[in-house]
Amino acid sequence: DAGITQSPRYKITETGRQVTLMCHQTWSHSYMFWYRQDLGHGLRLIYYSAAADITDKGEVPDGYVVSRSKTENFPLTLESATRSQTSVYFCASSELLQGGSEKLFFGSGTQLSVL
Amino acid sequence: GESVGLHLPTLSVQEGDNSIINCAYSNSASDYFIWYKQESGKGPQFIIDIRSNMDKRQGQRVTVLLNKTVKHLSLQIAATQPGDSAVYFCAENAAGAAGNKLTFGGGTRVLVKP
Repeated sequence: DAGITQSPRYKITETGRQVTLMCHQTWSHSYMFWYRQDLGHGLRLIYYSAAADITDKGEVPDGYVVSRSKTENFPLTLESATRSQTSVYFCASSELLQGGSEKLFFGSGTQLSVL
Repeated sequence: GESVGLHLPTLSVQEGDNSIINCAYSNSASDYFIWYKQESGKGPQFIIDIRSNMDKRQGQRVTVLLNKTVKHLSLQIAATQPGDSAVYFCAENAAGAAGNKLTFGGGTRVLVKP
């Protein structure tokens, strides 16, 4: 089915390990985003990408790395995981439509636990 | 949208009644607003959007009202059903904001009582 998919759905890792969360969309949307969701903080933007090979920092980028070599993929890497990065991570995509609407479509999320 | 701190506001509503969820935003330059619904264990799902040149927009059983004077947004759900139980987020985007980014509010939990 077309859409936006994230993998893995659940991930447990240890402090200091590298972890990569995958995101794939089939709409050819230009924009892709990574958010983290924590109780009391809502959805916070980590990184976003306006197109292939164009990425930029969001509100909480520290400790994360992204890449966008292909339009459809936007992986998020935690280079050295910390307990504070335990969270639910959502990938989203959107297309800037005429008139400037920016409706985001979200994946189902990855629940990451760093022990 | 505004941060609501550690506790998620909760709206309890009787099945069949109307629900009103409120959201205050702080950026007067915001010109596009969205409401999302998030069910447990799922990603946020688009409900309805509105541009700043409108005061009201209706969808299927939902209405969004925008009051730019007091920077207030509301979502009305008519004849609330058990399937409407979820967390609802408002989001805003400012014209010219780099990166097509939305800023999300903290969310409101809606509990529908049978």
